[in-house]
Amino acid sequence: AQSVTQLDSQVPVFEEAPVELRCNYSSSVSVYLFWYVQYPNQGLQLLLKYLSGSTLVKGINGFEAEFNKSQTSFHLRKPSVHISDTAEYFCAVSDPFGNEKLTFGTGTRLTIIP
Amino acid sequence: DGGITQSPKYLFRKEGQNVTLSCEQNLNHDAMYWYRQDPGQGLRLIYYSQIVNDFQKGDIAEGYSVSREKKESFPLTVTSAQKNPTAFYLCASSGGTATNTGELFFGEGSRLTVL
Repeated sequence: AQSVTQLDSQVPVFEEAPVELRCNYSSSVSVYLFWYVQYPNQGLQLLLKYLSGSTLVKGINGFEAEFNKSQTSFHLRKPSVHISDTAEYFCAVSDPFGNEKLTFGTGTRLTIIP
Repeated sequence: DGGITQSPKYLFRKEGQNVTLSCEQNLNHDAMYWYRQDPGQGLRLIYYSQIVNDFQKGDIAEGYSVSREKKESFPLTVTSAQKNPTAFYLCASSGGTATNTGELFFGEGSRLTVL
């Protein structure tokens, strides 16, 4: 079975400061990893994904994430945040050899302080 | 534009009533999913379907039912047996195992409040 841990439920950051949202996963097999963003009362939108290849993955809106197999982590980073980045962020994992059923973390609410 | 349409966006029901949430997609995706979202708990899988006329229980299927009679449609019924039905429900689709990129496409969600 797979699981995802997002230790930080809320992260406040000043505008234009850098941010890192942490994600750790547990799996006995290789994995696909994802970050999704959710704006209030909306569905989820894919930010970026790691399937294979380069461990540094770039996504939309200036976000990037690094896959670290030894630490079983997939932390999300942005060098300079904007007010529009205020949202909830979900890390998710799936089994590359199974169906596309995703297991989600509990989410991190990112609040940008002007 | 291609996408996933969920309706209604907001729904209020009395305790003991069954309600059905609609989910339609025009992405020609094989697989469809229903997730439930509660504050602080992330998304939990209720049911999923990888092909027409077939579906499987997810992690929290008790008190819910689904059907998949058409590729485009995957309605969810919240029955009176569901003990705590007030939540935000999200429908998603994906290309299916034939194109396993792992990416899900989500609808805008339906917020159900049971009074």
